[in-house]
Amino acid sequence: QPVLTQPPSASGTPGQRVTVSCSGGGSNLGVNNVNWYQQLPGTAPKLLIYGDNKRPSGVPDRFSGSKSGTSASLAVSGLLPEDEADYYCAAWDDSLNSVLFGGGTKLTVL
Amino acid sequence: QVQLQQSGPGLVKPSGTLSLNCTVSGASIISNNWWSWVRQTPGKGLEWIGEVYHRGTTNYNPSLRGRATVSVDTSKSQFSLNLASVTAADTAVYYCARDRAGGTSSDFDHWGQGILVSVSS
Repeated sequence: QPVLTQPPSASGTPGQRVTVSCSGGGSNLGVNNVNWYQQLPGTAPKLLIYGDNKRPSGVPDRFSGSKSGTSASLAVSGLLPEDEADYYCAAWDDSLNSVLFGGGTKLTVL
Repeated sequence: QVQLQQSGPGLVKPSGTLSLNCTVSGASIISNNWWSWVRQTPGKGLEWIGEVYHRGTTNYNPSLRGRATVSVDTSKSQFSLNLASVTAADTAVYYCARDRAGGTSSDFDHWGQGILVSVSS
């Protein structure tokens, strides 16, 4: 069963650079774009990165995405307290004909 | 601006059918976008349920074993979710969302406000 795997937690201090990984397989990240979502407590997810590495209008350039093969990463530089949130990767899976979400990573700003 | 407004009951009895609507404003539902439902169980992650195109074409998460039906009513600029034979495991916050990139992507650029649906007698 295809899955997207994320670490459950990550942390950093203000000003640091933190990365969140997303590991998939040949039927999802290997052939389709990865998108990243930020979810603040009690709110709907917000599109943060699309098409592997593009930022929607209004998303600060402190957020960046990359992908290589079947792995992707979200980087947050110049960490701010308001970046404390849950982050999810997502991709279409060709074998399931379905969207897959990663399990989410809770980012804590220490 | 694009808005997705969700409506529907917050409580459903076990073995019943969960029904939710999502009304689209600020954009035409007749477009190259697909319209999806996503849920989030309490304290857990996101799960994609299914999607519909304005012509009625659908895709579903196979893990729901055929219980989900997503439909569209272009005259009302609305799309809907029916989830049959619900159990307590279906208790979740349900979101509707627009996928702007097409039926084989996960590019959800606009989301509804979310509705907590509890399954309980």
